[in-house]
Amino acid sequence: KAGVTQTPRYLIKTRGQQVTLSCSPISGHRSVSWYQQTPGQGLQFLFEYFSETQRNKGNFPGRFSGRQFSNSRSEMNVSTLELGDSALYLCASSLDRGPSYEQYFGPGTRLTVT
Amino acid sequence: AQKVTQAQTEISVVEKEDVTLDCVYETRDTTYYLFWYKQPPSGELVFLIRRNSFDEQNEISGRYSWNFQKSTSSFNFTITASQVVDSAVYFCALGAYSGAGSYQLTFGKGTKLSVIP
Repeated sequence: KAGVTQTPRYLIKTRGQQVTLSCSPISGHRSVSWYQQTPGQGLQFLFEYFSETQRNKGNFPGRFSGRQFSNSRSEMNVSTLELGDSALYLCASSLDRGPSYEQYFGPGTRLTVT
Repeated sequence: AQKVTQAQTEISVVEKEDVTLDCVYETRDTTYYLFWYKQPPSGELVFLIRRNSFDEQNEISGRYSWNFQKSTSSFNFTITASQVVDSAVYFCALGAYSGAGSYQLTFGKGTKLSVIP
């Protein structure tokens, strides 16, 4: 079974631009979560999608948004990029919602904002 | 609020030594789950283990073992006879329901393990 895939793997953007990252979960997995990883803040939860609906959101500004499609694939968007948005963005999928289902992570998208 | 503390930022050991990674958590929930993930230099987090709050049995998987103690809110991870391939950043995480039935994973800051040949 193929793992979680994320595209692109690397991205360089300029301040003020917007970016869209894509995540394809493991086949059959219905829940997708996004995390931001930085050296200073570590791994921080961004949001979770299930059945095309955002179920939970972390403490991030409204510039961070996402969506999930009917095939469970998910995208996240960051508008008006700031230097501090430079990070590794990780997507994780799980079979269903809740803590009894382990999350499987993709390789991440490394975003650099200049 | 949930919190996970991994006090050890970096650890270096010589190959074949045993090493224990500490994890202390805080939660008000009576039902919760604890996880360990490994992040090699490639960046992808690899799931290692999940334990629920009602199961305090220690677990062993090959060279890996986990010690869960609710009395001290700790979920420590031991690697026996470490190998160079064990070099990675290890994350402890807590999964529980926050307000309004929302669930999320809270991660510790991670412990970078370097195994020297």
